[in-house]
Amino acid sequence: RKEVEQDPGPFNVPEGATVAFNCTYSNSASQSFFWYRQDCRKEPKLLMSVYSSGNEDGRFTAQLNRASQYISLLIRDSKLSDSATYLCVVNMGSGSGNTGKLIFGQGTTLQVKP
Amino acid sequence: GAVVSQHPSWVICKSGTSVKIECRSLDFQATTMFWYRQFPKQSLMLMATSNEGSKATYEQGVEKDKFLINHASLTLSTLTVTSAHPEDSSFYICSARDVPTAGDTQYFGPGTRLTVL
Repeated sequence: RKEVEQDPGPFNVPEGATVAFNCTYSNSASQSFFWYRQDCRKEPKLLMSVYSSGNEDGRFTAQLNRASQYISLLIRDSKLSDSATYLCVVNMGSGSGNTGKLIFGQGTTLQVKP
Repeated sequence: GAVVSQHPSWVICKSGTSVKIECRSLDFQATTMFWYRQFPKQSLMLMATSNEGSKATYEQGVEKDKFLINHASLTLSTLTVTSAHPEDSSFYICSARDVPTAGDTQYFGPGTRLTVL
């Protein structure tokens, strides 16, 4: 089983649509969770961290369910510029022993069409 | 946010040659840098963790004698792909942690696209 699993998609949606991505992780000791965005042939860029209580940043909402080891990202009112690959990322360490090692999911491709 | 640079951004080389890739943190000191590799249509795979002043920690399956990592200063880590072969062609990306300022956040360099002929 992969440590971080995502549906690779692609998700093809019209502008203005709401789209949700899901991610599961295998290590219950994982401590930090993130969503990164990667454009074609570019490096990943941090979209948002994911907190236990859930968090929102404009049109983007992230949720974490530790019991189910499940992370989600909701994008409302999709824009053409949202087209990219969205990477679910988990930090396996915790506390003073945190090595910063990140485990990346395969990524979910989103294509927003006019 | 913090800035991480990589050089070169792309390189084409002949099979058997060695290629050095530099990763620099431009406005912060990074005691830890990470090297990733990404093949087409796949996700980033961590190759090694580079710690300033000590030996790198390699992930399982990554040959330390083939991928030499040097982290000589708090702002520079280098990855040397020795005796490169076509199967080493990939997108190599580094990242750096700015722990005092940003905790867990890693800042990624723009990547180096390596093509081995």
